[in-house]
Amino acid sequence: EVQLVESGGGLVQPGGSLRLSCAASGFTFSSHWMHWVRQAPGKGPVWLSRINLDGSSRSYADSVKGRFTISRDNAKNTLFLQMNSLRAEDTAVYYCAGDFRNSWYFDLWGRGTPVTVSS
Amino acid sequence: QSALTQPASVSGSPGQSITISCTGTSSDLGSYDFVSWYQQHPGKAPKLMIYEGYNRPSGVSNRFSGSKSGNTASLTISGLQAEDEAVYFCCSYAGGSTVIFGGGTNLTVL
Repeated sequence: EVQLVESGGGLVQPGGSLRLSCAASGFTFSSHWMHWVRQAPGKGPVWLSRINLDGSSRSYADSVKGRFTISRDNAKNTLFLQMNSLRAEDTAVYYCAGDFRNSWYFDLWGRGTPVTVSS
Repeated sequence: QSALTQPASVSGSPGQSITISCTGTSSDLGSYDFVSWYQQHPGKAPKLMIYEGYNRPSGVSNRFSGSKSGNTASLTISGLQAEDEAVYFCCSYAGGSTVIFGGGTNLTVL
């Protein structure tokens, strides 16, 4: 089955760190760009970051640049998001998304992992 | 990186057609053809419905169609069905290797 499964979310204090993981299966992970997208309750999705096939190219939204780092392990079919200096406004459900056309589209989404930043 | 503008809600009766607009600027949606639309049911992840402004992924009903003119993209759903009731988000490449979404449109099937 083609799927993405996120993990690593939870409750963290402001200023803290979390590392999200996204396990891919059912498709050739190393052939596709991958993205992280988040969605706060009742709000639209917000794109956060993209990584190319081998990790040599990464891009970020201004809101997370310098605080979040995207990476991938193609040998383990896993995508990561290291989140540092977390703020209350980072509270959201975090989705990983597979871009099967390598063209800024989100063909496959995981179920998401919730992140709450609160003291 | 401001969000794309969508109407908060639209509604239609079964069998009717509705159109959802998505307005950006000449710096984002107006400059690129990387426009996509997503359907999201409550508690579920978004689902890709349209890419490249008008193409449908395999498995998406041909009742869904997309277009773009200038700084505005549109999603049209014909022959409305109860299962179409959901929130719809537009999305566009915004240059500089970034992407922006719309705020979402809540579709109610009356």
